[in-house]
Amino acid sequence: ETGVTQSPTHLIKTRGQQVTLRCSSQSGHNTVSWYQQALGQGPQFIFQYYREEENGRGNFPPRFSGLQFPNYSSELNVNALELDDSALYLCASSPGWGSYNEQFFGPGTRLTVL
Amino acid sequence: GIQVEQSPPDLILQEGANSTLRCNFSDSVNNLQWFHQNPWGQLINLFYIPSGTKQNGRLSATTVATERYSLLYISSSQTTDSGVYFCAPSSGNTPLVFGKGTRLSVIA
Repeated sequence: ETGVTQSPTHLIKTRGQQVTLRCSSQSGHNTVSWYQQALGQGPQFIFQYYREEENGRGNFPPRFSGLQFPNYSSELNVNALELDDSALYLCASSPGWGSYNEQFFGPGTRLTVL
Repeated sequence: GIQVEQSPPDLILQEGANSTLRCNFSDSVNNLQWFHQNPWGQLINLFYIPSGTKQNGRLSATTVATERYSLLYISSSQTTDSGVYFCAPSSGNTPLVFGKGTRLSVIA
């Protein structure tokens, strides 16, 4: 059974650029959630995708957007990057959209915005 | 939304010692997970425990949902246990809400 994978591992961008992060969910999981973890903090929920539709969103601006594909993999896109977007971005998959489902996390993508 | 408080924020242990980490939450929950974040940032699932008690080797966890707290016990700690431990409950259809974590350092 393949776990959650994310790419790239690290990324450096400059302010104003756009970035796309990718996530492949664990086998058999149809729900993907994205979290942002700033240095020294716990992860914060960005949004969740279930069957290719956004199914919940945290307190993040519209320049954070996402997609889920028919194979349940997902992308997180961030436009007009700001310095404060520097963080570890974590993707989690679960076997259903209900919050009672156990979530499994990928290794993360560390984004640095200069 | 649900509020999560973890204690202590930092903990230093001698190898072989035992410890208890606490997680208080403000609402009834239908999911609660404990994670260990290693130095590379990977969140490793320790327990899925919305209620009751579970054990896995040297680790065990108890959630008392009616009193809105969960405990993670680490026995005979090892240097590889170092890292940050997060508690993350959710209620209703809300996503997991993470506490600020407990940073554990185990010294040989």
